[in-house]
Amino acid sequence: DAGVTQSPTHLIKTRGQQVTLRCSPKSGHDTVSWYQQALGQGPQFIFQYYEEEERQRGNFPDRFSGHQFPNYSSELNVNALLLGDSALYLCATARGPANSNEKLFFGSGTQLSVL
Amino acid sequence: GQQVMQIPQYQHVQEGEDFTTYCNSSTTLSNIQWYKQRPGGHPVFLIQLVKSGEVKKQKRLTFQFGEAKKNSSLHITATQTTDVGTYFCAGNSNYQLIWGAGTKLIIKP
Repeated sequence: DAGVTQSPTHLIKTRGQQVTLRCSPKSGHDTVSWYQQALGQGPQFIFQYYEEEERQRGNFPDRFSGHQFPNYSSELNVNALLLGDSALYLCATARGPANSNEKLFFGSGTQLSVL
Repeated sequence: GQQVMQIPQYQHVQEGEDFTTYCNSSTTLSNIQWYKQRPGGHPVFLIQLVKSGEVKKQKRLTFQFGEAKKNSSLHITATQTTDVGTYFCAGNSNYQLIWGAGTKLIIKP
């Protein structure tokens, strides 16, 4: 039973570029949430996807967008990268639409560095 | 906006001493979850508290949820090196998890 898998594990980009991060949920999970975690900080909620739609969104600009596929996997896209976007991006999955009532299973994250 | 404040930011302890972290929410929570993140790792779910005044134990870890469902604490008795990491609370309010900033447990050499 595979857990949550994220790719790539590390990524280096330059300012202004675009990036796509990927997440495959744990078996049986259909809700995917994305978090940004800056060094020494707690995870900041970006958005949540369920049934291929964005259900909730945190306080992040439109440069952050996402997608969920029929197999429940998800992508996070960030356009026009800024230095401040450098962080660990975590994918968390759960069962059901209101996943904040279910425990979250996290992937190992993608470490994004913007130079 | 809704906030969950978590203190302290860091706690240095000698191995064998106790450790406590506290979370306070600006709003009433429907439940609260606790996660542990080891250095270089990702958050791992520890427990969820739902009922007012609830107390749950996991070996040396004791979790409490306040009567007003606005605060919570995690207490570790007799810390061990395996306890090292950052402990996060995450409160559920309006179907959104609001995370505390975490408390880093550091064992003094």
